Amino acid sequence: EIVLTQSPGTLSLSPGERATLSCRASQSVNDNYLVWYQQKPGQAPRFLIYGASHRAFGIPDRFSGSGSGTYFTLTISRLEPDDFAVYYCHVGRTFGQGTKLEIK
Amino acid sequence: QVQLVQSGPEVKKPGASVKVSCKASGYTLTSYPMNWVRQAPGQGLEWMGWIRPDISNTSYAENFKDRVTITADTSTNTAYMEVRGLRSDDTAVYYCTRESGHNYFDNWGQGTLISVSS
Repeated sequence: EIVLTQSPGTLSLSPGERATLSCRASQSVNDNYLVWYQQKPGQAPRFLIYGASHRAFGIPDRFSGSGSGTYFTLTISRLEPDDFAVYYCHVGRTFGQGTKLEIK
Repeated sequence: QVQLVQSGPEVKKPGASVKVSCKASGYTLTSYPMNWVRQAPGQGLEWMGWIRPDISNTSYAENFKDRVTITADTSTNTAYMEVRGLRSDDTAVYYCTRESGHNYFDNWGQGTLISVSS
C-alpha cells in the first residue's frame, strides 16, 4: 500500500507570498494519478488538482501542481487570505497527513 | 449542479450501529462510484470504502471490512454507509464523495458528525 508523506506539517506565510507544499509517495504513482484537496475548518474537502498538474473546474490559476513518479508539489503563487487552510494529497485509497497553511 | 446531501448528526452509545445517507442530485448515482471517507476530530482523511452503484460492487479498507457496509438505492439516487459495533474512536465526521475520472473525488457531501459516547 502506498504511503504519502506531506511536508512541511505547518507552513507559516503572509498574504502575497508564494507557497510550496510537497507530497512524497513511497512508490511511483501510476500515470501521475496524484490529487490535491483544500480543506477549511468545518468544511468538506475541495477538489483542486488532478493528474498531478490539472486544475479542477473553477480553481484559480494561482494554484498549480507539478511532479511525477514519487515527488509532487502544490504551489500557490500569490497567497490570498482565503487560501489559508489544510491541504491534502491523495492517491487511490490513500491520503497524505496534510499540510496546514497558516497566516504568519 | 452536482450535490451530495448527507443525513444529520447522530449521537450513539458504544456497541450501537449507525446508518448515514447520501442523496445525490444533478447526476445519476449509477454513473460514478461513491466513496466514504472519515475524519476524526483534528485528524486527517481516512478512506473507508467504495461502491459501484451500477453493479453494487463494493470494496472496503482493511480497518473497516468487518464493521462497515456500503449500499446504494438507485431508485432514490441515494448511497448509504452503515457502521456496526461503534466505539468511541469512531467519533468522526463521515463524508460521501463521488469518484470521477482516475481516482479523484470531485464532489463531497457536507459531512455527518457521528459522536460515540456512553
